[in-house]
Amino acid sequence: DTAVSQTPKYLVTQMGNDKSIKCEQNLGHDTMYWYKQDSKKFLKIMFSYNNKELIINETVPNRFSPKSPDKAHLNLHINSLELGDSAVYFCASSPYYEQYFGPGTRLTVT
Amino acid sequence: GQQLNQSPQSMFIQEGEDVSMNCTSSSIFNTWLWYKQDPGEGPVLLIALYKAGELTSNGRLTAQFGITRKDSFLNISASIPSDVGIYFCAGQPLQAAGNKLTFGGGTRVLVKP
Repeated sequence: DTAVSQTPKYLVTQMGNDKSIKCEQNLGHDTMYWYKQDSKKFLKIMFSYNNKELIINETVPNRFSPKSPDKAHLNLHINSLELGDSAVYFCASSPYYEQYFGPGTRLTVT
Repeated sequence: GQQLNQSPQSMFIQEGEDVSMNCTSSSIFNTWLWYKQDPGEGPVLLIALYKAGELTSNGRLTAQFGITRKDSFLNISASIPSDVGIYFCAGQPLQAAGNKLTFGGGTRVLVKP
């Protein structure tokens, strides 16, 4: 009965590789988000989708591309990974203002 | 962009103590939310506030939406060891697009040795 789930939990990869993180929510929410949390624990929004439509696209390198096949799923694909991409990535969903977060994916780029 | 100043950045608690933390902004917010993050987990919503002056409790937690709409505070009463974690305030600025939240830098709550 997990509300917001992400896979994988941990991802270790080398510079230059392409990787994807998947997110699913079973809360029936229309809006989903991707956040990046850096080593200082600062949370920064990257993208937001409402009913499969992109509505927030912060200043994020083009190497990051979100994809929402349906309103319950929001995946994040990252091309040409760089060392600075190492962080914890959180997916979240919301019916309105209250956002519910997934458990996070810790990405380590070596 | 919008900034939320959260203080203190860290604090030590002793079991049974009451602790407080706050969040301030230079601009008006529509909504204030408080989250707690445990190590290795995602932030969990504790309390949501929607009206200026609103005071809301969730167990031993109490939060208030400041009258000026530029601040909020969270109080934890009779703290216990499992209160340790990072507490984040988040707010929705007046004209934010798409339910966008701005997060504070977090208050790290630690146990006194």
